[in-house]
Amino acid sequence: QVQLQESGPGLVKPSETLSLTCTVSGISINPYYWSWIRQAPGKGLEWIGYIYYTVSTSYNPSLKSRVTISLDMPKNQFSLTLTSVTAADTAIYFCAREYTGNYHDGFDLWGQGTLVTVSS
Amino acid sequence: SYELTQPPSVSVSPGQTARITCSGDRLGDKDVSWYHQRPGQSPVVVIHQNNQRPSGISERFSGSTSGNTATLIISGTQAMDEADFYCQVWDINVAVFGGGTKLTVL
Repeated sequence: QVQLQESGPGLVKPSETLSLTCTVSGISINPYYWSWIRQAPGKGLEWIGYIYYTVSTSYNPSLKSRVTISLDMPKNQFSLTLTSVTAADTAIYFCAREYTGNYHDGFDLWGQGTLVTVSS
Repeated sequence: SYELTQPPSVSVSPGQTARITCSGDRLGDKDVSWYHQRPGQSPVVVIHQNNQRPSGISERFSGSTSGNTATLIISGTQAMDEADFYCQVWDINVAVFGGGTKLTVL
């Protein structure tokens, strides 16, 4: 059974760094596109960025200066780092997989999401 | 940056057909995916590549595109279909979501 599980602190202080990990079980992390997507309370979905293998990444232009996504193949995990957070970064953070690694398609697998609150 | 526009809400009577639209510049040149999301749950893809229905998704869900508008069609709408729906495309290597449509089954 394929599962994605987000993990990380649920509370981050303003100006600090948010770090989350998505653990993939049931399939190899290669050769798919893996994304982070977030949803502020009561709001819509916002794509943060993706990683493909260990070297190809793309980020939402509105977050690009603060985001890094990395991949740990031996652990079958990928991670999100978001620096200089503010209250506007409070959201449920989802990790997700695209259908295929051959071209961009929809997201067929999602984690359950983890709520991150930015507050002092 | 690329933008997708969805109506904030759509209402439909049980058993009727619901149509949720998604518009964007040159949308016909892109592959559209649709997701439904119930409160407190993760999104679930119901259509990808404009009109492809994943296994396990009801045949009542279908998708179409014409010009700058994509439409998610839900036939024989049921109370269980009540959810938020999002369209999504890729603009080169950037994923873009529509603002979402709340489907209410009256």
